[in-house]
Amino acid sequence: AQRVTQPEKLLSVFKGAPVELKCNYSYSGSPELFWYVQYSRQRLQLLLRHISRESIKGFTADLNKGETSFHLKKPFAQEEDSAMYYCASFYGQNFVFGPGTRLSVLP
Amino acid sequence: GAVVSQHPSWVICKSGTSVKIECRSLDFQATTMFWYRQFPKQSLMLMATSNEGSKATYEQGVEKDKFLINHASLTLSTLTVTSAHPEDSSFYICSAVGTGGFQPQHFGDGTRLSIL
Repeated sequence: AQRVTQPEKLLSVFKGAPVELKCNYSYSGSPELFWYVQYSRQRLQLLLRHISRESIKGFTADLNKGETSFHLKKPFAQEEDSAMYYCASFYGQNFVFGPGTRLSVLP
Repeated sequence: GAVVSQHPSWVICKSGTSVKIECRSLDFQATTMFWYRQFPKQSLMLMATSNEGSKATYEQGVEKDKFLINHASLTLSTLTVTSAHPEDSSFYICSAVGTGGFQPQHFGDGTRLSIL
């Protein structure tokens, strides 16, 4: 079965520190990988998709097929980055979400 | 951009009643819609996948007779919580995927369901 794991439920960093949100997927093939973000009291929003190779709000994510990972990174965290982050994959006809990581950026 | 409208945004009802939640894709056609449930401070849980014109596929542990899903058109899916009880109180979110090759999910604002 397809699985997406995010090992950290909660990640706290200080403002200006680098941040990395981990995501691993567990199947062969070539899934599409995404990061979604949910700010407090707002809808889920698509943050990144690996095929676009964009940098959104300073975040980047590189798909590492060897390690089956798609970690989300930002060199300097901001307080407004505090939110819930979901890694997700699409393979075949199925979207699979990870459990989410709550990022808390401290002043 | 693609917009998904979910209605109502908040509903309070008595135990034993049935509640219908609508999910509409406003400016695109959605062959697939997903229904999620989110408990406070917890992750989203996929309840079911709804494909237009066919029966929904429910995740393990989700009661089909409890959570009725209908996807009668390419722009509308409904989730009906039948004979709702307080334990059904939660935040329900739908998402929709457009047609034409691979498309990301677009999420509604969610519906907060409170059963008294």
